[in-house]
Amino acid sequence: DPKIIQKPKYLVAVTGSEKILICEQYLGHNAMYWYRQSAKKPLEFMFSYSYQKLMDNQTASSRFQPQSSKKNHLDLQITALKPDDSATYFCASSHQGRDTQYFGPGTRLLVL
Amino acid sequence: GEQVEQLPSSLIVQEGASVLINCSYTDSASVYFPWYKQEPGKRLQFIIDIRSNMERKQTQRLTLLFDKKTKHLSLHITATQPGDSAIYFCSATSNNRIFFGDGTQLVVKP
Repeated sequence: DPKIIQKPKYLVAVTGSEKILICEQYLGHNAMYWYRQSAKKPLEFMFSYSYQKLMDNQTASSRFQPQSSKKNHLDLQITALKPDDSATYFCASSHQGRDTQYFGPGTRLLVL
Repeated sequence: GEQVEQLPSSLIVQEGASVLINCSYTDSASVYFPWYKQEPGKRLQFIIDIRSNMERKQTQRLTLLFDKKTKHLSLHITATQPGDSAIYFCSATSNNRIFFGDGTQLVVKP
């Protein structure tokens, strides 16, 4: 489904570096989310945004910072990368108040 | 917080068989339960949902049953096909946050 775009598809980074994961949705949704999927935890909620405002943050580390420059964008900046950050990061979106969330294709991050 | 458990963790069946995936949750405040399917290397794909004021929902070969008292859901897939092979995730949603189960890996052999 090309209506939720995530870039890049694959990303290799070195420990200590910084990367930005891009997410754009063209579904007209006003709520966007980030999730992480790894071998340790199959699917883990990270953040939710509604109308470009942070609604919920379940990520303990401040190294993960979502950025919303437009209402259909929610990027994820990750600083001081660690090998444990290696995972697939999924962006999702929904209509606020309607609960079905639709997922993007994911960005697979490998930190060496 | 909400905890979602799914069983079994994996299923291997022959094409044409029916399968049952069970799911339980803990937070009575959860009111919406979407299910997703994920094929290898692909995105999560929404397949069916149910709200807490319903007991049953059916679409094509999928039937989803919900028991509010026991906080239990079950997904029944009939006439399975090799294309149904994927990981199936149960989830519980409250305040726009989804809590996922660990998934059930279904393999349908031709």
